[in-house]
Amino acid sequence: DTGVSQNPRHKITKRGQNVTFRCDPISEHNRLYWYRQTLGQGPEFLTYFQNEAQLEKSRLLSDRFSAERPKGSFSTLEIQRTEQGDSAMYLCASSLGTGEYQPQHFGDGTRLSIL
Amino acid sequence: QKEVEQDPGPLSVPEGAIVSLNCTYSNSAFQYFMWYRQYSRKGPELLMYTYSSGNKEDGRFTAQVDKSSKYISLFIRDSQPSDSATYLCAMIKDYGQNFVFGPGTRLSVLP
Repeated sequence: DTGVSQNPRHKITKRGQNVTFRCDPISEHNRLYWYRQTLGQGPEFLTYFQNEAQLEKSRLLSDRFSAERPKGSFSTLEIQRTEQGDSAMYLCASSLGTGEYQPQHFGDGTRLSIL
Repeated sequence: QKEVEQDPGPLSVPEGAIVSLNCTYSNSAFQYFMWYRQYSRKGPELLMYTYSSGNKEDGRFTAQVDKSSKYISLFIRDSQPSDSATYLCAMIKDYGQNFVFGPGTRLSVLP
């Protein structure tokens, strides 16, 4: 069990640029989640996948955000035309999907800084 | 009113103290309750989870859920400096996927 891996760990970009983050879940986990966390707050749910299907998206996920999980393994989160308010920690988590509650395991996140 | 409320702290205690961390929530549909620990610049790490009301113990940690009061607690016995972190409660209505987190409580255990 190598844990959930996220890359890059830190991304600094200018406002208006596009950024893409990658998440590699624990290998046998078929559920994958994206969260956003700002300073002093808990993680806020953005979206989740069951295998390659994106099953739920939060209203927080504007049209500038898109997430994919093309082969049901790794996932990418892209933010287009970044804004200052996008500065946050983006967390990925994964879990087994067995039809009953399974705990989520988090990666260490990608910290996005918008200049 | 937020769905999940948590005192942000910071909470400072001497080493060896018993720590009590709490969350209140407004939605009676929540059934699964989790506690996560998050160190600075790291992702949340699951400590414990419980289903419905009751107590659960794991080493120095005890989680309590009182659904009638919409109140959950995490107790840490014999606290250590290494317990210094932010503690997040989280909950879900069913094994549906929208986890709701509290804002976290910062804990400092002083040697």
